[in-house]
Amino acid sequence: EDQVTQSPEALRLQEGESSSLNCSYTVSGLRGLFWYRQDPGKGPEFLFTLYSAGEEKEKERLKATLTKKESFLHITAPKPEDSATYLCAVQAVGYSGAGSYQLTFGKGTKLSVIP
Amino acid sequence: NAGVTQTPKFQVLKTGQSMTLQCAQDMNHNSMYWYRQDPGMGLRLIYYSASEGTTDKGEVPNGYNVSRLNKREFSLRLESAAPSQTSVYFCASSARWEAQHFGDGTRLSIL
Repeated sequence: EDQVTQSPEALRLQEGESSSLNCSYTVSGLRGLFWYRQDPGKGPEFLFTLYSAGEEKEKERLKATLTKKESFLHITAPKPEDSATYLCAVQAVGYSGAGSYQLTFGKGTKLSVIP
Repeated sequence: NAGVTQTPKFQVLKTGQSMTLQCAQDMNHNSMYWYRQDPGMGLRLIYYSASEGTTDKGEVPNGYNVSRLNKREFSLRLESAAPSQTSVYFCASSARWEAQHFGDGTRLSIL
């Protein structure tokens, strides 16, 4: 069974204080790992897809990295507008047909950036 | 560009009532999905449709039915609502294995 564990559950940072969010996963084979941002009352917003260990993607103050067992979302010099819940999801190989499109989500990390 | 549109945004039902949640996407995606999101549980897949004319069960399908009306529209029906189905429901779409794109959800309360 595919599993995704995110830590910490909640994180409070001062504006400008860099940190990292963790996503640990267990899958028989990884097709892709996805990061999303979710604001209160909104649907998840896609940020990044990572496919292989060693891959990195960047967008503004966010950088996502991937190893064979986990992914990190690094937040550099965060601003209050970065406050949101960040979700990680995996897509696994080994399923037939349409089942291969499925994502397994972690429970998220709620990030609060204090001015 | 609207992306994924869900209606209604909010709904309150009584136990035993039925309801259909609507979802439409304008990104020409073949695959569509229905999730529910509950506190402490994360997003869980209810049903999905890889392409027009096909639907498959996800992790938590009991108590729900779906219809893929055409390429753009995918509806979720609760035949006899139960309090355990109080949740936020999200629809998403994707092009095969690419990232799924989500609507802003329907907040459903069942009394």
